[in-house]
Amino acid sequence: RKEVEQDPGPFNVPEGATVAFNCTYSNSASQSFFWYRQDCRKEPKLLMSVYSSGNEDGRFTAQLNRASQYISLLIRDSKLSDSATYLCVVNSFMDTGRRALTFGSGTRLQVQP
Amino acid sequence: EAGVVQSPRYKIIEKKQPVAFWCNPISGHNTLYWYLQNLGQGPELLIRYENEEAVDDSQLPKDRFSAERLKGVDSTLKIQPAELGDSAVYLCASSVGLAPGEQYFGPGTRLTVT
Repeated sequence: RKEVEQDPGPFNVPEGATVAFNCTYSNSASQSFFWYRQDCRKEPKLLMSVYSSGNEDGRFTAQLNRASQYISLLIRDSKLSDSATYLCVVNSFMDTGRRALTFGSGTRLQVQP
Repeated sequence: EAGVVQSPRYKIIEKKQPVAFWCNPISGHNTLYWYLQNLGQGPELLIRYENEEAVDDSQLPKDRFSAERLKGVDSTLKIQPAELGDSAVYLCASSVGLAPGEQYFGPGTRLTVT
């Protein structure tokens, strides 16, 4: 089982739709969580951190469910410019005491006019 | 403020040849990361530096890959000899300290090994 798993998609949605992605992680000792966005042939960029109580940034809402070990990203009122790959990132402490930052494979979103 | 700079942006080499990638992080960022990203996959960490020290190189294939960050600023990643399976995008990122959620990535070097 992969440490961080995402549905690769693509999720094809019309403009204005609400879409949600989930990301599951296997290490129960994971400390912090993030969503990055990556446009085609570009570098990843931080979209938002995920806080235990859930957090919102405009049309984007991130949530964490530690009991079930997943995080989610909800996008409301989708725009064409939201088309991208969304990468789930999990920061964990390993047995060695070192931190490990693990990226999921990403979920591709295509918003259609 | 300048972002993370990487060069070259593209490189095509024949297998068994050596190749080197260069990265200059954002000024003041003491943590530097090298990642490998294959098509349709997320970035995979190769090595992480805190200043000059490589603190996590467990995923670096040391038989053919090497990296250095001599003065704690810019860094070079080398592959010698390159294999067909090394074709990928090599991303460099930097952050202030251990701020895993605030990494800034460079544009990457797209390597094609023929």
